[in-house]
Amino acid sequence: TQTVSQSDAHVTVFEGDSVELRCNYSYGGSIYLSWYIQHHGRGLQFLLKYYSGNPVVQGVNGFEAEFSKSDSSFHLRKASVHWSDSAVYFCAVTSNYGGSGNKLIFGTGTLLSVKP
Amino acid sequence: DMKVTQMPRYLIKRMGENVLLECGQDMSHETMYWYRQDPGLGLQLIYISYDVDSNSEGDIPKGYRVSRKKREHFSLILDSAKTNQTSVYFCASSSPLGPQDTQYFGPGTRLLVL
Repeated sequence: TQTVSQSDAHVTVFEGDSVELRCNYSYGGSIYLSWYIQHHGRGLQFLLKYYSGNPVVQGVNGFEAEFSKSDSSFHLRKASVHWSDSAVYFCAVTSNYGGSGNKLIFGTGTLLSVKP
Repeated sequence: DMKVTQMPRYLIKRMGENVLLECGQDMSHETMYWYRQDPGLGLQLIYISYDVDSNSEGDIPKGYRVSRKKREHFSLILDSAKTNQTSVYFCASSSPLGPQDTQYFGPGTRLLVL
């Protein structure tokens, strides 16, 4: 059974602060992990993904995430947040669904609130 | 510009009515998906389509059916909607590069079933 856990439902920081959003996974096969962002009332947008190689992956808008097999984690980080980063962030693990389709198993999301 | 569109964006229906949610993509992606999003549950997969007329049930298909007659278009149908189908529905598409492929999401349809 594949699961994704995001332990923090809500994180609040001030503009300019650094932030880390935590994600832990449980999966027995090859690991393909991604982060998506959802602004209020909008669809999900892809941020970044890891599937092999360098465990630190860079995404859009200054986000990066680090894969750790030993910790079963894929935490998302940003060095200096902007108010526009306020959104819900979803961590997901990819599970092959047969054929050419892949299912994303999502965590429950972390709401990031950035105060001015 | 890569885009997934959904229509309508907001919909109110009465219990027992039929519902049609439509999704389009301009990327010629073979694979398309329907998810629903409920508070505290993240997104759950309803159906997956591998290409025209090649559809497969997801994790929660009960009460839904789908139709894909053109590669760029994927419909979700609720025959006789129920109040517990009130949710936000997202369509997504991807190109089959394997597990590392990226899914592109539409803006969602908010459905309220009274």
